[in-house]
Amino acid sequence: QKEVEQNSGPLSVPEGAIASLNCTYSDRVSQSFFWYRQYSGKSPELIMSIYSNGDKEDGRFTAQLNKASQYVSLLIRDSQPSDSATYLCAVNTGGFKTIFGAGTRLFVKA
Amino acid sequence: KAGVTQTPRYLIKTRGQQVTLSCSPISGHRSVSWYQQTPGQGLQFLFEYFSETQRNKGNFPGRFSGRQFSNSRSEMNVSTLELGDSALYLCASSFGGENTEAFFGQGTRLTVV
Repeated sequence: QKEVEQNSGPLSVPEGAIASLNCTYSDRVSQSFFWYRQYSGKSPELIMSIYSNGDKEDGRFTAQLNKASQYVSLLIRDSQPSDSATYLCAVNTGGFKTIFGAGTRLFVKA
Repeated sequence: KAGVTQTPRYLIKTRGQQVTLSCSPISGHRSVSWYQQTPGQGLQFLFEYFSETQRNKGNFPGRFSGRQFSNSRSEMNVSTLELGDSALYLCASSFGGENTEAFFGQGTRLTVV
């Protein structure tokens, strides 16, 4: 079992819709969770961090964490073509190590 | 505020050679992590340094090594290069304490021929 799992996609949504990206992790003691966005040919960019159960909102982005289910998600409201990228879920296991999922490719159709 | 700086941006090396990559973290950040990114394997953790000490290491052969200097700058070295070492090498810096938000540099694209 991979430590951090994501559906590779591509996930295709129309402009203005809500994009929902999901991630599961295997290490129950994980404490910190992150979402990164990576455009083709660029390095990953941190867009959200979440540390406790529940929702955290930042503009059009909402991160959701459920530690009991070992599940973290990212919702993007009012999706724009510029949101088309690969979204990486990352989990810090507390051992000075952050593990990344393989990423979900999102395509927003204009 | 300057971001994470990686040099060089691009490198072409021959099999069997060695290479050294450099990473300067964001000012005030004391933790530097290195990752290898390939299309097939995604982002793979190499190692993490904090205050000149390696605190964790990924599952890479001993040909991959690193170090961190007193000013938090870090270098990674790959010896006896293989074709499979061709990848984007990324470093990420963070404060390294409770706050583990990490920010990436632009990466070094290494091509081994």
